[in-house]
Amino acid sequence: DAKTTQPPSMDCAEGRAANLPCNHSTISGNEYVYWYRQIHSQGPQYIIHGLKNNETNEMASLIITEDRKSSTLILPHATLRDTAVYYCIVRARNTDKLIFGTGTRLQVFP
Amino acid sequence: DSGVTQTPKHLITATGQRVTLRCSPRSGDLSVYWYQQSLDQGLQFLIQYYNGEERAKGNILERFSAQQFPDLHSELNLSSLELGDSALYFCASSADLPAYEQYFGPGTRLTVT
Repeated sequence: DAKTTQPPSMDCAEGRAANLPCNHSTISGNEYVYWYRQIHSQGPQYIIHGLKNNETNEMASLIITEDRKSSTLILPHATLRDTAVYYCIVRARNTDKLIFGTGTRLQVFP
Repeated sequence: DSGVTQTPKHLITATGQRVTLRCSPRSGDLSVYWYQQSLDQGLQFLIQYYNGEERAKGNILERFSAQQFPDLHSELNLSSLELGDSALYFCASSADLPAYEQYFGPGTRLTVT
């Protein structure tokens, strides 16, 4: 699985968009980009995933660059409840296991 | 609430002992995964079962074993416990393969003293 690089921490004001970057420059053609988050010590929660097109769901948007070497998770209107550690994971199509890195600790402030 | 249940919520035991952690997947999910989260190692994949059969193995110690039963619940057995085994143990489940989304349980916090 390709390695990912994320900033260790970020801040965001409540109500603003939170843009979390992820670098995955060694990603290969059969690997998806996944985002999970972990609020405090709860179980991780799936957010979104994509292969090469941008994706949007009720939680977030995922923007993947054309060369697929990086991506950005966008929380359009961050709330205090979005304070969590966000993990960007690259996963091959033929495997189910998730390899978690150190993630980005997002702090949303009032 | 993900629909995945784990018991017990907390477990405190002594070094050298053996414990069993239990996981019930979401209704209908055939795949179960175990992950360990410790302060120094982060979240690590341990093992995956699919419909009773082992499907993938990660960084699981030989002192640890798991199984998935016909009713699809799973148990993770940890033996000869060491202080370093203190961690949060998460179970996750997914419906089909490939598993686009894994649903994680609330975890079992194991403390070895």
